[in-house]
Amino acid sequence: GQNIDQPTEMTATEGAIVQINCTYQTSGFNGLFWYQQHAGEAPTFLSYNVLDGLEEKGRFSSFLSRSKGYSYLLLKELQMKDSASYLCAVRDTRGSYIPTFGRGTSLIVHP
Amino acid sequence: EAQVTQNPRYLITVTGKKLTVTCSQNMNHEYMSWYRQDPGLGLRQIYYSMNVEVTDKGDVPEGYKVSRKEKRNFPLILESPSPNQTSLYFCASSPTGGFSYEQYFGPGTRLTVT
Repeated sequence: GQNIDQPTEMTATEGAIVQINCTYQTSGFNGLFWYQQHAGEAPTFLSYNVLDGLEEKGRFSSFLSRSKGYSYLLLKELQMKDSASYLCAVRDTRGSYIPTFGRGTSLIVHP
Repeated sequence: EAQVTQNPRYLITVTGKKLTVTCSQNMNHEYMSWYRQDPGLGLRQIYYSMNVEVTDKGDVPEGYKVSRKEKRNFPLILESPSPNQTSLYFCASSPTGGFSYEQYFGPGTRLTVT
């Protein structure tokens, strides 16, 4: 199985940049996801990394280092609506293609 | 509209009274799964299904059953609910094709067992 670790809570200022880290241990890595979840709502897909490097998508970027078991989600030009939980999820090669989620990082953006 | 639907959205029930939470997707996805979400514990997988008539246990299957008789439906059954099953439940589906197989989540079912 996987062991996924991410900070419980972070705060940042509107307009700033924030980096949310995720470390993982898995017996057979097969992709890492980031999801956003607003309070009381369903998670929505943000990004996917399976190779090392940076994937950029608008204000959001995600980075992966497989050798270090490490990923981060970078949010630029923060907006109040970015206040949400950010979930890191890792898929391994056990064959189900269903990833395991970390406990999530609650991001609070203040004016 | 492509979506995953769950019913009911909210349910309050009593210990021991059997209940079913339905989940349906209209995207022809092979993979479907159920999660429960509790404060401080994140999303934990209950059961998953890779296709019709193929189901397997996730990380927290005790007290739950599932079935996959049709590709679009994946109901979650609590035969004898207990208070420790009070939680927010999410159903999700994902395709087999494409690059990432990202999951699409239903809106959630908030269950309270008294």
